[in-house]
Amino acid sequence: EAGVAQSPRYKIIEKRQSVAFWCNPISGHATLYWYQQILGQGPKLLIQFQNNGVVDDSQLPKDRFSAERLKGVDSTLKIQPAKLEDSAVYLCASSLRGGRADTQYFGPGTRLTVL
Amino acid sequence: AQSVTQPDIHITVSEGASLELRCNYSYGATPYLFWYVQSPGQGLQLLLKYFSGDTLVQGIKGFEAEFKRSQSSFNLRKPSVHWSDAAEYFCAVGLTSGTYKYIFGTGTRLKVLA
Repeated sequence: EAGVAQSPRYKIIEKRQSVAFWCNPISGHATLYWYQQILGQGPKLLIQFQNNGVVDDSQLPKDRFSAERLKGVDSTLKIQPAKLEDSAVYLCASSLRGGRADTQYFGPGTRLTVL
Repeated sequence: AQSVTQPDIHITVSEGASLELRCNYSYGATPYLFWYVQSPGQGLQLLLKYFSGDTLVQGIKGFEAEFKRSQSSFNLRKPSVHWSDAAEYFCAVGLTSGTYKYIFGTGTRLKVLA
């Protein structure tokens, strides 16, 4: 089966610009996650969707980050305006139902550099 | 507070040598535990997971991990390391806090000497 797809793979922007990332989860997976992985750290959950509803966005900086999952499939994560500290790899993951027994499958990530 | 600690930031081993990567967690209930591997430029791939039952868990690529409740540990082991095992390894705990989610450790970068 096809894995989690993400684009673009790399993005370089100036601070205060905006940027958007796209994720296509594994077909049939109800739960979608966006993680931020700063260099030298483990992934940190930003937002979790169950179908097209948000179930956890407690660590999403809502003044500049937004995400949506229209029709419960693809998702986009946007940053506007970007700051230097947003430089990181943004990982998308999906799981079948989001339960404790589910495995999360990760995409290759988008590496964002903010200059 | 729930947390995952990977005490070793970097580990270097010779090809063919044995490997043990340490992971300690802090979580009040019975944890669900995972080990993921991340190769350069790649996403995370699941190596193995522990939910319950036998505390010695077998995974892919010849890896195994042992859950020790008394030590709050879930160390990853491999008897003989291959050069292709060079990567970053992340331990994660799955917990229920409103919803079900992972908390990751900071990772251990493995270097393999030929």
